[in-house]
Amino acid sequence: DQQVKQNSPSLSVQEGRISILNCDYTNSMFDYFLWYKKYPAEGPTFLISISSIKDKNEDGRFTVFLNKSAKHLSLHIVPSQPGDSAVYFCAASSGGNKLVFGAGTILRVKS
Amino acid sequence: EPEVTQTPSHQVTQMGQEVILRCVPISNHLYFYWYRQILGQKVEFLVSFYNNEISEKSEIFDDQFSVERPDGSNFTLKIRSTKLEDSAMYFCASSGQGLDEQFFGPGTRLTVL
Repeated sequence: DQQVKQNSPSLSVQEGRISILNCDYTNSMFDYFLWYKKYPAEGPTFLISISSIKDKNEDGRFTVFLNKSAKHLSLHIVPSQPGDSAVYFCAASSGGNKLVFGAGTILRVKS
Repeated sequence: EPEVTQTPSHQVTQMGQEVILRCVPISNHLYFYWYRQILGQKVEFLVSFYNNEISEKSEIFDDQFSVERPDGSNFTLKIRSTKLEDSAMYFCASSGQGLDEQFFGPGTRLTVL
């Protein structure tokens, strides 16, 4: 099942700089997109979401951009902090209900 | 801040045995879910539950699996006869409405020997 893809397994960023995590999807029926952060031995923690009727949503240091024509979304973290180091999952749903997850991107923020 | 809780944190069982994984969703939430993550793989949807019945299930969720909300607060996942390939992290999640973000519990690590 490759409906949600995160093509970068890992990303390393210097503290204070911008982190950009990318996600592509293939199912045009998806209408709600979410980003989750996960630490080892913990469950996914909700970060930010966006509905398909929007192209941008911002919450503090986190901004999600949605490009429906390209079936692409991205998460920007500015400024990046060492505590942001974790696995970031992109997820999508259609009409609510089940989430389809990407494989995750490991973010390392170096101090 | 309200959170989803899960017990046990780690369950070890013998192949063929029944296991019950327990979850307490956020109290005013209406939608409940189980997901699993096999080591090194994606988080996969198993089942969703609303209004005391299954609203959607994946092909993974076969006759060996069942869910129940026995007492208005707990939400359980039962695996009747465990297989080696059932070894995974099992995550419970809940949401207020179907279109809301889902909040996940810390997970139960199931090891089938």
